[in-house]
Amino acid sequence: DSGVTQTPKHLITATGQRVTLRCSPRSGDLSVYWYQQSLDQGLQFLIQYYNGEERAKGNILERFSAQQFPDLHSELNLSSLELGDSALYFCASSAGDYARSEQFFGPGTRLTVL
Amino acid sequence: GENVEQHPSTLSVQEGDSAVIKCTYSDSASNYFPWYKQELGKRPQLIIDIRSNVGEKKDQRIAVTLNKTAKHFSLHITETQPEDSAVYFCAASRGANDMRFGAGTRLTVKP
Repeated sequence: DSGVTQTPKHLITATGQRVTLRCSPRSGDLSVYWYQQSLDQGLQFLIQYYNGEERAKGNILERFSAQQFPDLHSELNLSSLELGDSALYFCASSAGDYARSEQFFGPGTRLTVL
Repeated sequence: GENVEQHPSTLSVQEGDSAVIKCTYSDSASNYFPWYKQELGKRPQLIIDIRSNVGEKKDQRIAVTLNKTAKHFSLHITETQPEDSAVYFCAASRGANDMRFGAGTRLTVKP
């Protein structure tokens, strides 16, 4: 167990809908990262937050948005869902500084868009 | 931004043999290079990492080497065992920021 939690574990929804994925980082970690992993694909970096502020942006679609709250948990919002958005979404956390760069992954949320 | 390429995409070895996976990166400012192992249906887990001020790091049967000049790094697994079968991802980042992953290598160790 990495100490990173994600809810829900599974999510099934229809095209055009909007969903919110939630992540709680390890105690003390300030950085949260979101990744998308499609079937048999690698890990696509979406976005990173550090202590409530956006720090880095990857291949995140305009239909997707995220935020990190004062208690450091983070939410990833996916809207106008398409079939191709079906994937495993991982959240990871790290202390956020150079000396402690290791990222610890949560168990993931499997999103199925029908 | 950073671009990480990983080879090979699949690798099959006999139990007891060695396995080597190679990655190249594009951003010369990258200074942190972790390797993750992902078993089927599970989360990626860090197995070893190296920072740019070190050329090699070992942990039992696993080692990582880094060539900053050529901008490539490699994972070496010796005396492979069936439980080493998994997908391995390399990654590169500037400290704790903006980590980019390679496409992954599916390693199969045949008993």
